Formats: sequence, C-alpha cells, structure tokens
Amino acid sequence: QVHLQESGPGLVEPSQTLSLTCDVFGASISSGTHYWSWIRQPAGKGLEWIGRDHPQGITNYNPSLKSRVTISVDTSKNQVSLTLKSVTAADTAMYYCARDRYLDWGDAFDIWGHGTMVTVSS
Amino acid sequence: EIVLTQSPGTLSMSPGERATLSCRASQSVRSTYLAWYQQKPGQAPRLLIYSASNRATGVPDRFSGSGSGTDFTLAISRLEPEDFAVYYCQHYGSSLFTFGPGTKVDFK
Repeated sequence: QVHLQESGPGLVEPSQTLSLTCDVFGASISSGTHYWSWIRQPAGKGLEWIGRDHPQGITNYNPSLKSRVTISVDTSKNQVSLTLKSVTAADTAMYYCARDRYLDWGDAFDIWGHGTMVTVSS
Repeated sequence: EIVLTQSPGTLSMSPGERATLSCRASQSVRSTYLAWYQQKPGQAPRLLIYSASNRATGVPDRFSGSGSGTDFTLAISRLEPEDFAVYYCQHYGSSLFTFGPGTKVDFK
C-alpha cells in the first residue's frame, strides 16, 4: 500500500526559506509512472497547487509561486522535496504532497500525505 | 487560466437525501482532466472521481460524476453520515492545476 509522509520544520521566520520533504512508501519514484506534487491549504481555506516534478526531469510550477519555489524528486532516497524562498505570513498553511496519476487517471491526485503544518512567524 | 466555480457554497442536507454539487469552468475543459475530492476536518483530501465520471478505487457507488464542457456535477445518491464534508473539483490543463473553492455539505 502506497503512503506519503511529509516532514519539515513547523515554524519558519519571515523572509527565510521553507524546506519540506515527502517520503514515499510502497512505490518507487524512479518507475516514472507518476508525477509528484505539492499542494497547500491555509487554515479554513481552499487548496492551492504549488508544483510537481517527474523523475525524468519535467517540472511544472504554479505561476503565482514560480519565482520562489523549487520541487525535486530524489530517486535514491525515494523522496520529493519542496523549497520555498522568502516566505511571508501568507505562506502559512498545511502542506501536502500528492501522487499524480497522469498516465491513466487524467492527472488526478490519487494518494495524499497527511500533511505538515507550516507557520511563518517571528 | 481556468477558473472553477462551485455551487452552492454550502448545502444543508439530511442523511438519506440526494445531494447535487456543481462545478463550472470559466471556459470549456476536457472532461478527462476534471476530478472531485472529499475532505473531512483534519484530514487530507480524498480522490472520489477522476475524468469527470470515473470512481476512484474504493469509492462507494452512491457517488457519481457527470458533465462536459463547462458544467460538471457530483451527485451523492443517498447521504450517509460520513459524507458530510467539503467537496472540491479540480482541473488540469496547460501544465497547471486549479481547484474550485469547495462546497460544504452539512447537516440540516
């Protein structure tokens, strides 16, 4: 059974860089059969897609965040990472990683991690 | 960029009733890339429907999706207590994912 586990610091100071990791269990990122995305959700609000990466080096980002974000898969560690620079209070949210079934399910996110809460505050 | 609008914002229902949720796209989209999710408090979203009308693995058949072009619908034939949650539609196109603002199904 596939599951995803996000981790990272729960508190980040304004203007600093947020770094999160998603460990993938029960599936191999290197198979290339999925993209791997990060999605965030401020408390009480809706979902915002941040970006995705594929082990073949294809990366897409939300234009609203593109200048500050880097997402990459590490096939040796079976992990997906997220780096977000110059954070502000507006980046406070629950951050989820999710698997994207682009080959057969129309790019739907079929597996989600439980999420990790990030607060931006001094 | 495709903008998704969901209505109503809140749907007040009773168990056993039929619920119909709407998702409207700002321009015509391919139904292949339209999905629905359920989210309960304190939990991650759960995929219900992909490609507009296909149930994901393990999703009860009381959930059904339909639609094309700009108008899509998620129907729950008979609400169970565990179905009271927030529902989001999602679209993928031109290397960008967008979500609707959600419809909350709560107890009448």
